[in-house]
Amino acid sequence: DADVTQTPRNRITKTGKRIMLECSQTKGHDRMYWYRQDPGLGLRLIYYSFDVKDINKGEISDGYSVSRQAQAKFSLSLESAIPNQTALYFCATSDSQGDRGLGGYTFGSGTRLTVV
Amino acid sequence: QKEVEQDPGPLSVPEGAIVSLNCTYSNSAFQYFMWYRQYSRKGPELLMYTYSSGNKEDGRFTAQVDKSSKYISLFIRDSQPSDSATYLCAMRQRNTGNQFYFGTGTSLTVIP
Repeated sequence: DADVTQTPRNRITKTGKRIMLECSQTKGHDRMYWYRQDPGLGLRLIYYSFDVKDINKGEISDGYSVSRQAQAKFSLSLESAIPNQTALYFCATSDSQGDRGLGGYTFGSGTRLTVV
Repeated sequence: QKEVEQDPGPLSVPEGAIVSLNCTYSNSAFQYFMWYRQYSRKGPELLMYTYSSGNKEDGRFTAQVDKSSKYISLFIRDSQPSDSATYLCAMRQRNTGNQFYFGTGTSLTVIP
């Protein structure tokens, strides 16, 4: 099984619909992140969480919300999807070794979301 | 100006060639530098990481950091078709809660 699992892998939804992307991990990491990837713009941070009670906005949080249900689970919601939220979404994890520059992120395989 | 600039390519080389991938950055406070490899329809995977200036070698891969020029490089020796992927650079400051800034990625194809 993958260390970081994202569901669904692909999703097409209509404008205005609420949608949730889910992420679970078996790495035992305390830190979890949501990124979106767009051609020409690279990976941009949406939200991150350092533990279950800690949620922080990233670079592009407008239109998104998150929930950290457990150490191993971190979900991303689009409250009212719009077409410019069409992108590839990645969940990632890391541990506190990252503070010393050791290690990096472990990424999931991504969710390809299309908003029509 | 973006924090991190990376030429998107695409870059196409024959098998066995030496590949040079580069990123420039504007924030002189960046201290941790990483390279990720991303295959099609997969998430990025960590390839190399370095701290501050200098070189680091791992098999066919060498990462270089020149902080005075705000320039980092990844060299791939004896490139293989399996190296065909998108390569992303990433970097961050010390003590910023693990928040990395990513380049947009360079697409590499190694032709057999």
